[in-house]
Amino acid sequence: ETGVTQSPTHLIKTRGQQVTLRCSSQSGHNTVSWYQQALGQGPQFIFQYYREEENGRGNFPPRFSGLQFPNYSSELNVNALELDDSALYLCASSLDRGPISPLHFGNGTRLTVT
Amino acid sequence: AQTVTQSQPEMSVQEAETVTLSCTYDTSESNYYLFWYKQPPSRQMILVIRQEAYKQQNATENRFSVNFQKAAKSFSLKISDSQLGDTAMYFCAFMPPSGTYKYIFGTGTRLKVLA
Repeated sequence: ETGVTQSPTHLIKTRGQQVTLRCSSQSGHNTVSWYQQALGQGPQFIFQYYREEENGRGNFPPRFSGLQFPNYSSELNVNALELDDSALYLCASSLDRGPISPLHFGNGTRLTVT
Repeated sequence: AQTVTQSQPEMSVQEAETVTLSCTYDTSESNYYLFWYKQPPSRQMILVIRQEAYKQQNATENRFSVNFQKAAKSFSLKISDSQLGDTAMYFCAFMPPSGTYKYIFGTGTRLKVLA
């Protein structure tokens, strides 16, 4: 069984640029969640996608957007990058969107904004 | 708003000893879910143990067990017979019972197991 894979593993961008992070969910999982983990902090919920529809959003501005594709892979897009966007971005997939289905996390994408 | 607090930024334990990591949370919900996740240097978050609030019995998974005190809103993790591979960041997380099934994480406890 293939786990959750994220690409790229590391990325350096300049303030004001745009970035796209990618996530391939675990086989059979229809739900993908994205989290931002700043250095020394716990992950913070960005949004969740269930069967290609956004299923909830955390306290992040609209320049954070996402997509889920028919194969349930997902993208996180961030426009107009700011220095505070520097963080580890974690993608997690689950069999379903409820609490019974545990999250399976990828290894994350480390984004550095200079 | 729901919050999760981990008051121990760092802890260390000798190999084969027992260690307890603390977590408190705040919520007005009566039913919810609590989790402990482990994040080793590889960065991948791994589920350690889960507890449903409506279950009075404390969850156990091999060497890992929890002490769930609902009235005190406390959810501590006990690791018995600590192993070097247990060295990691440990995050306590809360999930509300409905709506957006998002995790609310604490700030983590860095655990180092000493040989």
